Amino acid sequence: GAGVSQSPSNKVTEKGKDVELRCDPISGHTALYWYRQSLGQGLEFLIYFQGNSAPDKSGLPSDRFSAERTGGSVSTLTIQRTQQEDSAVYLCASSPSRDNTDTQYFGPGTRLTVL
Amino acid sequence: AQSVTQLGSHVSVSEGALVLLRCNYSSSVPPYLFWYVQYPNQGLQLLLKYTTGATLVKGINGFEAEFKKSETSFHLTKPSAHMSDAAEYFCAVSGPRGYNKLIFGAGTRLAVHP
Repeated sequence: GAGVSQSPSNKVTEKGKDVELRCDPISGHTALYWYRQSLGQGLEFLIYFQGNSAPDKSGLPSDRFSAERTGGSVSTLTIQRTQQEDSAVYLCASSPSRDNTDTQYFGPGTRLTVL
Repeated sequence: AQSVTQLGSHVSVSEGALVLLRCNYSSSVPPYLFWYVQYPNQGLQLLLKYTTGATLVKGINGFEAEFKKSETSFHLTKPSAHMSDAAEYFCAVSGPRGYNKLIFGAGTRLAVHP
């Protein structure tokens, strides 16, 4: 079946612009995660959605970052007023339920470059 | 707080040699432990995981790992390396129910040479 998909695969933007990154999770998966992978910080958790519960936003690095998940499926990560330090690969993952023994299935990522 | 330490950011082995990638964790609760592999320009793929039960866990592509609580370790091994094993490997920990995010180690890049 189809895996997690992300778009765009690459995004180049200018400092100060806003960007939106999209994630389509595996159909039927109720849990969705965003992570960031950068050279300096490794793999960092950003935000977690589970069903209709309030998201866990504890990993968002600043208030310029926000995310939403519409209809319990597609998610969009928005970065406002991008900075050069936002350059990274943004990875989305989904899992079948809230059980944290579940495997998280990762998408291919969106590589963001802020000039 | 939970954390993961991977010893050795780069490991190089000969084809056919043993692969040993080290992972130590810190957790105040019984951990759930994962190994993921990342091939160039791809997302992460689960190799294996330990949740409960048998402490020796077998995964895909001939890899296995053993959970050793007394040593707080979850080292990844493969008896005989193949060129296709060249990739970056990440150890991760998640906590008990309600702590669903994965905490990753810094990763170990494995090179396999002929």
